[in-house]
Amino acid sequence: DVKVTQSSRYLVKRTGEKVFLECVQDMDHENMFWYRQDPGLGLRLIYFSYDVKMKEKGDIPEGYSVSREKKERFSLILESASTNQTSMYLCASSPPRAQGVTYGYTFGSGTRLTVV
Amino acid sequence: SQQGEEDPQALSIQEGENATMNCSYKTSINNLQWYRQNSGRGLVHLILIRSNEREKHSGRLRVTLDTSKKSSSLLITASRAADTASYFCATRPSGGGADGLTFGKGTHLIIQP
Repeated sequence: DVKVTQSSRYLVKRTGEKVFLECVQDMDHENMFWYRQDPGLGLRLIYFSYDVKMKEKGDIPEGYSVSREKKERFSLILESASTNQTSMYLCASSPPRAQGVTYGYTFGSGTRLTVV
Repeated sequence: SQQGEEDPQALSIQEGENATMNCSYKTSINNLQWYRQNSGRGLVHLILIRSNEREKHSGRLRVTLDTSKKSSSLLITASRAADTASYFCATRPSGGGADGLTFGKGTHLIIQP
């Protein structure tokens, strides 16, 4: 069964800490994505990556960075956590568009981060 | 930016009834997708419809797409308690570039036993 695995289901961190959220996929997908999900705001794209060492800003990249050193792993980094980054973080992957064919995303189970 | 907007925000029906959810979007799209999310979990891909398609079926799911009205609907027939979840539409803009999807805020569906 193909999977996107997020390393933690729940995390509690203190304001100012550097936080790493890890995501690993076993489907050899080129594309990987980080979203955050908040009540009333839906899912918002933070960063995405087409390939190893490639990254692109999404709609709300401020306060975040990412790392993609290996194809299967996409890390989201909160440089200095703040309370307004308390949220559900969702990682997803997909194959790239090829010959006009696009594919759905496979999501991880999410990490619920609380910053206190 | 949020492109897809689902309607209604919440829907409660009896088991066995059909559930219909709608999605409107603003710009030209390559495809539109529907996802389900059970409480506190990740999203699960349900169905994808391309911009040149008008209707698609998958099991108890039926999706329609009207690009002239920039809208889509998801119909779940013969609903079951296990269908209780939030449902999101997501659009991929037409043209090249990013494969990133833009999600709506979702419809919360409750199936009453």
